[in-house]
Amino acid sequence: EVQLVESGGGLVQPGGSLRLSCAASGFTFSNHWMYWVRQVPGKGLVWVSRIKTDGSATNYADSVKGRFTISRDNAENTLYLQMNSLRAEDTAVYYCVRLASSGAFDIWGQGTMVTVSS
Amino acid sequence: DIVMTQSPDSLAVSLGERATINCKSSQSVLYSSNDQNYLAWYQQKPGQPPKLLIYWASTRKSGVPDRFSGSGSGTDFTLTISSLQAEDVAVYYCQQHYSFPRTFGQGTKVEIK
Repeated sequence: EVQLVESGGGLVQPGGSLRLSCAASGFTFSNHWMYWVRQVPGKGLVWVSRIKTDGSATNYADSVKGRFTISRDNAENTLYLQMNSLRAEDTAVYYCVRLASSGAFDIWGQGTMVTVSS
Repeated sequence: DIVMTQSPDSLAVSLGERATINCKSSQSVLYSSNDQNYLAWYQQKPGQPPKLLIYWASTRKSGVPDRFSGSGSGTDFTLTISSLQAEDVAVYYCQQHYSFPRTFGQGTKVEIK
């Protein structure tokens, strides 16, 4: 079964750090660009970051640039998002997402909640 | 960035009736080299992640019921649920997969009347 399973979310104080992980299974992870997409509860979907198949290229939304780092370990079939200097506005559900050959997002993880609050 | 705008924000439809959601992009998402419109539709049920329903404007993902159909070209697109079922209650999002960054519409909430 093709699957993405996120972990690492939780409650953190403003200015703190968290590292999200996404374990991929059921497909050849190294063949796909991967994304992180976040969603404030009750609100819409916003892309956060993306990484090329071999990790050689990354991009970030302006809102997280310089604070978040995306990475991947193709040997372990795992995607990461290191989040530093967290702010209240980073509070959201974070989804790990696979980019299909069509360019659409064809597989989504269940999401992990990140809450930034004192 | 391409701005995606959906209408309406919400709609209530009787069971078995047709539901229609519109999506407009701020620029064309038609890729001339293959004549494909790079527009996708997602369904998000409460407490669940989004699920891809349709890509290339009208291609249903494997396993998606045929009561879901997509149409349109260029900048104007439509998702139609031909006969609304109770399990179709959800928020529906359009997304352009034409260019980076991928952008989504604000969502349309579909409820039972």
